[in-house]
Formats: sequence, structure tokens, C-alpha cells
Amino acid sequence: DADVTQTPRNRITKTGKRIMLECSQTKGHDRMYWYRQDPGLGLRLIYYSFDVKDINKGEISDGYSVSRQAQAKFSLSLESAIPNQTALYFCATSDQGNLLYEQFFGPGTRLTVL
Amino acid sequence: AQSVSQHNHHVILSEAASLELGCNYSYGGTVNLFWYVQYPGQHLQLLLKYFSGDPLVKGIKGFEAEFIKSKFSFNLRKPSVQWSDTAEYFCAVSAGNMLTFGGGTRLMVKP
Repeated sequence: DADVTQTPRNRITKTGKRIMLECSQTKGHDRMYWYRQDPGLGLRLIYYSFDVKDINKGEISDGYSVSRQAQAKFSLSLESAIPNQTALYFCATSDQGNLLYEQFFGPGTRLTVL
Repeated sequence: AQSVSQHNHHVILSEAASLELGCNYSYGGTVNLFWYVQYPGQHLQLLLKYFSGDPLVKGIKGFEAEFIKSKFSFNLRKPSVQWSDTAEYFCAVSAGNMLTFGGGTRLMVKP
């Protein structure tokens, strides 16, 4: 969905490096999420934010931090990357007013930590 | 906390075969149910969703799913698959504000 964009799309880095993944949305949604996808495990929630001043830990937040710079921007940082953080990372948004809590996903960032 | 199980991790079918992918969840309260699809190299897209009402839900591309409350299930079906249905399929459950995903089922349709 072109309304949710992620940069970079692919990144290879080394153990110990700090990495930032960025997400932007033009859908005007209040809520934003970061997931990681691993084979056989589906998507697991890392962090989520319901508005600019609201940040919450998800299921697997250790080793990650986030920043909600504006309603439209939500960044994920890996403070010191390690190989088991190699995964596909997705940003998603949802509308507070949508009772079905449907989420709209970005194209993903494939991160490889060597 | 809710959990979602998709029992079939890999499914291989020939074109025109019927499809049923299982999804079971554990949560005692009211839930919203979703099936998302991820085509190769693409992001997740919503196939269909259940909120209330008719437990048989029809989605895009000929997919449907049936919510059976007594079995905590929301299985995805399609009468006749096409090669273009090759993708990974994720069941998800929303209780409150969070979505919990199953592990996914990779479907390969052979032409």
C-alpha cells in the first residue's frame, strides 16, 4: 500500500551497529505499529503507538527502541544489532475510528545482521 | 492474552483444487478475525474480516471464511485455487486494540 512507506527496503549491517528503520504514512491514521516477521512465527509486535505521545512495548521489544516524531512518522531503532535480529520488519497503521482495527502494512524492510 | 494457531505450515495444491486453511484462536471474549495474504515480495493485504453477524464471510478473489464460535475457529476456504493464489496466508485475531497473528501458511499452487 503506497500510503505506508518504509525506508530502507533492504539493509545489511554488522553486529554492534546502530540501525534505524523509518516508516511514514499518508493515511492520516493515529495508530502505528512495528512488527518483525520470521519464518513459521508469523508477525510479532515490537512496539506500537496510539498517538504522538503514546509509546507501548509489544511482545518482543528487547533490543529495540522507537520514536514517534509526528503523527505520520514512526521509527524503529536497533541500538546494537545482533544476528538474531535478522528478519523482515513491517510497519503498519490503523485508524482509531475503525472498529475492526484493520491494519494497513508497509512494504517491509529486509534487515540482515552479519 | 490471545493466541492464534495455523496448523498447516505448507500446503501444495494443483490448480482448480479446493482450499481450506485452518485457524484456531484462544481467547474467551469477543474477537474480530482477519485473514491477510502476502504475495511473494509484497506486503500484507487484507483478504477478509469478521466482526459480527453472518459467520460466513466473503472476501476478495473468491475467498471466504467461516467463524465457528464453539470451535474457536476461522478457517479460510476457496473452491478452486489458481496459480496466482500462491502466497503466504496469515490468520489474525483482534481483541481490544491489538492484532495477534498466527504463524502463517505457505500455499503453493502448481499450474
